[in-house]
Amino acid sequence: DAKTTQPPSMDCAEGRAANLPCNHSTISGNEYVYWYRQIHSQGPQYIIHGLKNNETNEMASLIITEDRKSSTLILPHATLRDTAVYYCIVRVATGNQFYFGTGTSLTVIP
Amino acid sequence: GAVVSQHPSWVICKSGTSVKIECRSLDFQATTMFWYRQFPKQSLMLMATSNEGSKATYEQGVEKDKFLINHASLTLSTLTVTSAHPEDSSFYICSAPLPPKLFFGSGTQLSVL
Repeated sequence: DAKTTQPPSMDCAEGRAANLPCNHSTISGNEYVYWYRQIHSQGPQYIIHGLKNNETNEMASLIITEDRKSSTLILPHATLRDTAVYYCIVRVATGNQFYFGTGTSLTVIP
Repeated sequence: GAVVSQHPSWVICKSGTSVKIECRSLDFQATTMFWYRQFPKQSLMLMATSNEGSKATYEQGVEKDKFLINHASLTLSTLTVTSAHPEDSSFYICSAPLPPKLFFGSGTQLSVL
């Protein structure tokens, strides 16, 4: 069962930072936060994941609150190609199944 | 990164026929693979876990006789939609774990006429 809550949609101006929130108030101590995105009619693409520390890679940054009950995915300079549905998922490190919630549909506006 | 290949990308079939979808992990081995179904404007729904060398485990409400899964090798899982009907029309997506990540195929759009 999905354990996350995300806003259904967001807009972002091209070139600006896109900040996508996720609530996971029932997260357990051994559960990681993962972010994937899905461009229309394609398979989901991995973006980033973390446990409790903030993480950054070439695609995005992940900010996790100290109590771990929420997180924010940051796309520092959004482009039109970042228009997609973004999914926040929590799962245990040793588990394999990923259960998807409803996600956030991000539209990057020229 | 790791690659999961899924074929075909799309298929159209007549009602009552069966359709097979293949999922391959190209550069890594996967003892488990996962099959999802996605209806338009909805999220991905996990259907089943494919286990190499043993029976698949199905999520609640998914008909195992309708959606046959075979995981014959460490790099190949197949999903067969048997006696397909129009309500089975959907986007089917496979995935394979390479911890700590899960990698997805490009999906198969099934249309049953």
